[in-house]
Amino acid sequence: EPEVTQTPSHQVTQMGQEVILRCVPISNHLYFYWYRQILGQKVEFLVSFYNNEISEKSEIFDDQFSVERPDGSNFTLKIRSTKLEDSAMYFCASSELAGWSSYNEQFFGPGTRLTVL
Amino acid sequence: AQSVSQHNHHVILSEAASLELGCNYSYGGTVNLFWYVQYPGQHLQLLLKYFSGDPLVKGIKGFEAEFIKSKFSFNLRKPSVQWSDTAEYFCAVNAGSSASKIIFGSGTRLSIRP
Repeated sequence: EPEVTQTPSHQVTQMGQEVILRCVPISNHLYFYWYRQILGQKVEFLVSFYNNEISEKSEIFDDQFSVERPDGSNFTLKIRSTKLEDSAMYFCASSELAGWSSYNEQFFGPGTRLTVL
Repeated sequence: AQSVSQHNHHVILSEAASLELGCNYSYGGTVNLFWYVQYPGQHLQLLLKYFSGDPLVKGIKGFEAEFIKSKFSFNLRKPSVQWSDTAEYFCAVNAGSSASKIIFGSGTRLSIRP
């Protein structure tokens, strides 16, 4: 069964450093998402991406964050200058469709645990 | 703003007991509703979803959920739990004009005593 993959599984970085989290969505999916979960808190939506553009973003997704689909398979989340409060589990997801369709099911990757020291 | 509330933070049951996990959402328009499960050390998996039609939705592993629009609820049920059901359960709603984002509840940790 096809699945979303993410690398690395755990990233440790110093405050102020840039990090890039990588995701490989399911191959025929067109919509891509990033979510994060700070330890002990809810899973929170960050951004959705379609046709090489951001479709929707949350208040969390400020200028420090960016997303990119650099080639036909990868989907990346970049944090330019990490802060302590960026420490969280980051989940990538993809879906075949979006909107009010029964095919709008988001499949989640295993997550990348980001630790900012 | 849309939100999802899960009232039970941690539920402990014995094997064969019946399960009901509460979920309420706040959004007045059309919604898609989901229950996701996260087994220890694994990623989020979809248990079941409601888009339209029959408000009683059946999912994998014997789970079901009932959408009650008047109560803004989507409670998860299972008549007889197993030790392997030990996991974190997240209720979620897909809402808004583009329905592109999922809003999650805070999760319910389910522990099953063998």
